[in-house]
Amino acid sequence: AQSVAQPEDQVNVAEGNPLTVKCTYSVSGNPYLFWYVQYPNRGLQFLLKYITGDNLVKGSYGFEAEFNKSQTSFHLKKPSALVSDSALYFCAVRVHTGKLIFGQGTTLQVKP
Amino acid sequence: DAGITQSPRHKVTETGTPVTLRCHQTENHRYMYWYRQDPGHGLRLIHYSYGVKDTDKGEVSDGYSVSRSKTEDFLLTLESATSSQTSVYFCAISDNTGAGETQYFGPGTRLLVL
Repeated sequence: AQSVAQPEDQVNVAEGNPLTVKCTYSVSGNPYLFWYVQYPNRGLQFLLKYITGDNLVKGSYGFEAEFNKSQTSFHLKKPSALVSDSALYFCAVRVHTGKLIFGQGTTLQVKP
Repeated sequence: DAGITQSPRHKVTETGTPVTLRCHQTENHRYMYWYRQDPGHGLRLIHYSYGVKDTDKGEVSDGYSVSRSKTEDFLLTLESATSSQTSVYFCAISDNTGAGETQYFGPGTRLLVL
């Protein structure tokens, strides 16, 4: 079955420190992977995607993600966290029908 | 929110009543989607549309129906609301279903079924 897993319900990090939000996937064929962010009482905002090519993908707000085919992972990273990065983050994979399958979400808490 | 509006934004209703949620887009995108968001489940696809009058079921379609009579509007109907349908509902749009295509999301509708 095709699926996405975000193994951490919550990630806590101090402002200025690097952050990582983890995502692993299971799909048949080539994976097309996405990260979205959701701020309180808002819809999901697109951050970045991996389709093909360079394994390090750069996105909005200073975020980047590293695709690792052997580990079937697509972890979201940022070198220096901001308090304003505190939000709910979703990883998703596109399956062959064009639909997205989402992970359960990870809450990122950045403390001053 | 990428030219997508949802109405109403909040609704409280009673079990057994019909409810219709509206998604309106100004992007002229062909594909539209309805998701529900529940704690611990992320977002799950309810129904989607690949054109006017063309719709199909997602993974959690039971108890829901949809209609799309115009490119810009996609309606989600709960024929007889149940408490298990208390959720936050998101509409999304995309221009195609190619590998690189991104779905863009509306602001959501928070529905409480008492």
